[in-house]
Amino acid sequence: DIQMTQSPSSVSASVGDRVTVTCRASQGVGTWLAWYQQKPGMAPKLLVYAASSLQSGVPSRFSGSGSGTDFTLTISSLQPEDFATYYCQQANIFPGTFGGGTKVEIK
Amino acid sequence: QVQLQESGPGLVKPSETLSLTCTVSGGSISGYYWSWIRQPPGKGLEWIGYIYYSGSINYNPSLKSRVTMSVDTSKNQFSLRLNSVTAADTAVYYCARVKPPGSSGYCDYWGQGTLVTVSS
Repeated sequence: DIQMTQSPSSVSASVGDRVTVTCRASQGVGTWLAWYQQKPGMAPKLLVYAASSLQSGVPSRFSGSGSGTDFTLTISSLQPEDFATYYCQQANIFPGTFGGGTKVEIK
Repeated sequence: QVQLQESGPGLVKPSETLSLTCTVSGGSISGYYWSWIRQPPGKGLEWIGYIYYSGSINYNPSLKSRVTMSVDTSKNQFSLRLNSVTAADTAVYYCARVKPPGSSGYCDYWGQGTLVTVSS
């Protein structure tokens, strides 16, 4: 399986801050990369797919970039509803493996 | 708006079989790939497998020997069976739709999840 490593594992930030989460794949996955947001007790929500395509209905403050092995999710101006755990997932080779998650906490 | 709902026992005994069903509403099961993903308490996500509405299947190799998926288009449902369960199979089980086109590998609609505990 392709291993996905996220950093940091947690980040403390304030409303309005710019937040960046990084994901590294153990081998190249092209742009077959998704980002999900998960709040406690809820299912993951697809934010970004194909590394940089915003899922319908997702606010434009979210953006994704990268290709190959290194990817980034950026929240340009953190909002109260964005405090959650974020997961990357490669979709290049089945099974699509997920990163360990990055928890975005209130500072 | 497509909605998914998992159903099945919340408690399964060790060595027995876990059985879950996902009911799809607000849209047809036909034409799409459907998946099962699980998340042990406090841990990350693991893709179990996916099934096409016509019945073609792809299972995670780590679980392949114990997993069976099926689909019932007449009921707009698909199902998961995991046999010989142990405590390591305790998790929240999600059903989800694979974002088209084809088996993109991304999941765009998810059920709320159901916690299955393996314990005697």
